[in-house]
Amino acid sequence: GNSVTQMEGPVTLSEEAFLTINCTYTATGYPSLFWYVQYPGEGLQLLLKATKADDKGSNKGFEATYRKETTSFHLEKGSVQVSDSAVYFCALRDNQGGKLIFGQGTELSVKP
Amino acid sequence: GAGVSQSPRYKVAKRGQDVALRCDPISGHVSLFWYQQALGQGPEFLTYFQNEAQLDKSGLPSDRFFAERPEGSVSTLKIQRTQQEDSAVYLCASSLVWQGNTEAFFGQGTRLTVV
Repeated sequence: GNSVTQMEGPVTLSEEAFLTINCTYTATGYPSLFWYVQYPGEGLQLLLKATKADDKGSNKGFEATYRKETTSFHLEKGSVQVSDSAVYFCALRDNQGGKLIFGQGTELSVKP
Repeated sequence: GAGVSQSPRYKVAKRGQDVALRCDPISGHVSLFWYQQALGQGPEFLTYFQNEAQLDKSGLPSDRFFAERPEGSVSTLKIQRTQQEDSAVYLCASSLVWQGNTEAFFGQGTRLTVV
């Protein structure tokens, strides 16, 4: 079945450091891929998405590229801020319109 | 409303008690999902509706869990005879259409604690 694997956290970085959170997936067909973010005390929010191979999703300085050959969708940001501290979830949804399948989440803590 | 609304935000239930969790999706959204999120874990799929039809309930952990969406808008997740392992945050999400590339919007969840 479909599944998503993320790098384990917590990840602790200093402000302005480069961020990578790895995400790989297993799926039949051609799923859409998503990154969701959960700030402390808040609900899940969509951060970015990509719907086909080689698409790049981007938002708030974060980027992720849909790599079909490596079945990956790694999240990157060139310079993190304290306000980026949150839990990040990689997810996929098959194009039959069914459920979102999430990874286990990666907690990011950015120190001043 | 502007977003997905869930109530109550917090629920403490005694073991064996029945609970009902409510979800008000964004108006006009066809698809509605329920997820269970244990502490420190990613959301786990429970069930999915397209309008009033429950198309997938493969994630419901036992027959104590039941969900409905009778008029294709508000949904209720009911848990009978709650047990301690049911303690989790229950998330509801909705999306405008069924296509897989459509964004799903999440509510803030109901935190259920079974004591």
